[in-house]
Amino acid sequence: GAGVSQSPSNKVTEKGKDVELRCDPISGHTALYWYRQSLGQGLEFLIYFQGNSAPDKSGLPSDRFSAERTGGSVSTLTIQRTQQEDSAVYLCASSLSGIAGAYFGAGTRLSVL
Amino acid sequence: TQLLEQSPQFLSIQEGENLTVYCNSSSVFSSLQWYRQEPGEGPVLLVTVVTGGEVKKLKRLTFQFGDARKDSSLHITAAQPGDTGLYLCAGASAAGNNRKLIWGLGTSLAVNP
Repeated sequence: GAGVSQSPSNKVTEKGKDVELRCDPISGHTALYWYRQSLGQGLEFLIYFQGNSAPDKSGLPSDRFSAERTGGSVSTLTIQRTQQEDSAVYLCASSLSGIAGAYFGAGTRLSVL
Repeated sequence: TQLLEQSPQFLSIQEGENLTVYCNSSSVFSSLQWYRQEPGEGPVLLVTVVTGGEVKKLKRLTFQFGDARKDSSLHITAAQPGDTGLYLCAGASAAGNNRKLIWGLGTSLAVNP
């Protein structure tokens, strides 16, 4: 497709389980971002990829969170041993460069019971 | 630490009124971007401004980048209910890695019919 695609759109999991969230960026976009957004809040930066490398992981909340990007394209955000405070909408965005602006997917709504 | 402050945080107006929202920082940015986010969706890029003093118009929306590239404003003329949403600004740093975006917390706008 032409836009950023995220899957699943909704995920309900039990506390302590692992989850994987997927992002398919716009073809050719070298920059990829993961953000977290709680209800009514602004964007919380998690991690940024340039190609397959992650120059900035400073936003990852704990070592339970990890992300990878392969082939300069698809990215996966993994949360291990989920906690209730992990419940939020996880947004992925891609960009040709930070200057040009970012294009977002619709997000994955994660609910940890 | 680079910060972008948006004001006001909340705004509720009647259809047909004009409004201005602001995005301010003490840091210089290579570009500044405005996004609108509606419930259940990811932010959508409205405009990118890159030159100090630049003014861009998008129908009833007018965006201005400050001369010193530290601040920006968004003016909406004759607001419509369809303008309702969360308006976010983001800046690409002028120093170092300009691919990491700095985000404001947003202005939540409600336009009442």
